[in-house]
Amino acid sequence: GAGVSQSPRYKVTKRGQDVALRCDPISGHVSLYWYRQALGQGPEFLTYFNYEAQQDKSGLPNDRFSAERPEGSISTLTIQRTEQRDSAMYRCASSLAPKYSYEQYFGPGTRLTVT
Amino acid sequence: GIQVEQSPPDLILQEGANSTLRCNFSDSVNNLQWFHQNPWGQLINLFYIPSGTKQNGRLSATTVATERYSLLYISSSQTTDSGVYFCAGGSRLTFGEGTQLTVNP
Repeated sequence: GAGVSQSPRYKVTKRGQDVALRCDPISGHVSLYWYRQALGQGPEFLTYFNYEAQQDKSGLPNDRFSAERPEGSISTLTIQRTEQRDSAMYRCASSLAPKYSYEQYFGPGTRLTVT
Repeated sequence: GIQVEQSPPDLILQEGANSTLRCNFSDSVNNLQWFHQNPWGQLINLFYIPSGTKQNGRLSATTVATERYSLLYISSSQTTDSGVYFCAGGSRLTFGEGTQLTVNP
């Protein structure tokens, strides 16, 4: 079936604007994760959901970042009042369910540039 | 949280050569994955390997969970193998800094 999809693939925004990044996980996957990847580094964990419940948001850098998954499928990561330091690749991943497998599958990412 | 160290940081090979990439973890993990980030930025799953050995074509991986390390073997390398190889572990994946592999024709 289809993999994880993310939109938009590229987003350029001005400092101070809000942005919303969307993730559509693999159908039937219970767990959904958000990561942020700076240039030349590995992805870093931001937050994750099981179904619609946000289980861990310890990786969110500050309160300008929030995420939701209201119906347990599509998720949105929102960054308010963007700053230049928010520029990065934002990646979403999904996995079947902890009781079956922890293997995570990643989407293509959203490249965010804040000018 | 756990720390993940990858070595070597950079590797340059001639096409056809073999290589071994290593990943060390500071603590036990219940999930260990190897990824290839291709030049277009896609993260491709290579192996899900919390323990044991797996093979897929020219690639194989071994994880020794009791000693907290994993190895990725690439045999008969091809130019299309170029990119960054990441290992990551834990349920909220902690990534290493990657190995930048360049395979020259």
